[in-house]
Amino acid sequence: GIQVEQSPPDLILQEGANSTLRCNFSDSVNNLQWFHQNPWGQLINLFYIPSGTKQNGRLSATTVATERYSLLYISSSQTTDSGVYFCAVETTGNQFYFGTGTSLTVIP
Amino acid sequence: DAGVTQSPTHLIKTRGQHVTLRCSPISGHKSVSWYQQVLGQGPQFIFQYYEKEERGRGNFPDRFSARQFPNYSSELNVNALLLGDSALYLCASSFATDTQYFGPGTRLTVL
Repeated sequence: GIQVEQSPPDLILQEGANSTLRCNFSDSVNNLQWFHQNPWGQLINLFYIPSGTKQNGRLSATTVATERYSLLYISSSQTTDSGVYFCAVETTGNQFYFGTGTSLTVIP
Repeated sequence: DAGVTQSPTHLIKTRGQHVTLRCSPISGHKSVSWYQQVLGQGPQFIFQYYEKEERGRGNFPDRFSARQFPNYSSELNVNALLLGDSALYLCASSFATDTQYFGPGTRLTVL
């Protein structure tokens, strides 16, 4: 099956700092989403971004499908941004795969 | 509008038993997907249903089955429970095959 690797696996930031999370996938995909899983386990949709660039407040994402990667940018991080960030892809065979995750801790 | 709802919230079963988990999608959404998330790992895809038909299936044994009803709600059934089935079971809904929105999950513990 497809491999979906995220980096870095862990990230500790001071409040107010910026960060870039990366998602690499090993084969062509139909779509890609970014999620934030909060400490209570709730998965929150951030972006549906099979290609191109989108922005939502302090967050933005870029997917370059031809090069099989996606980036999630977090600017001016806040403590509420803490949690695990996942990218998830849907393959051409209608299979969904989540990445390995990036655990983000924002300290005041 | 209500989001994705799942029931029950928590469940404790013993090995060998059967369990049924339920999911109600966002109003107007026609697709439901099920995932298993073991502690410390990312969610693993189990099934996707669209318009009451199975659209995709992950690499899970036949003990796992699901169905989608005419009102687009869904059930996930797991037979002959094993200790390794202990996990958070997540349901996601989407209008078609686009953005997925997740429910709060059902935490299953198998003793």
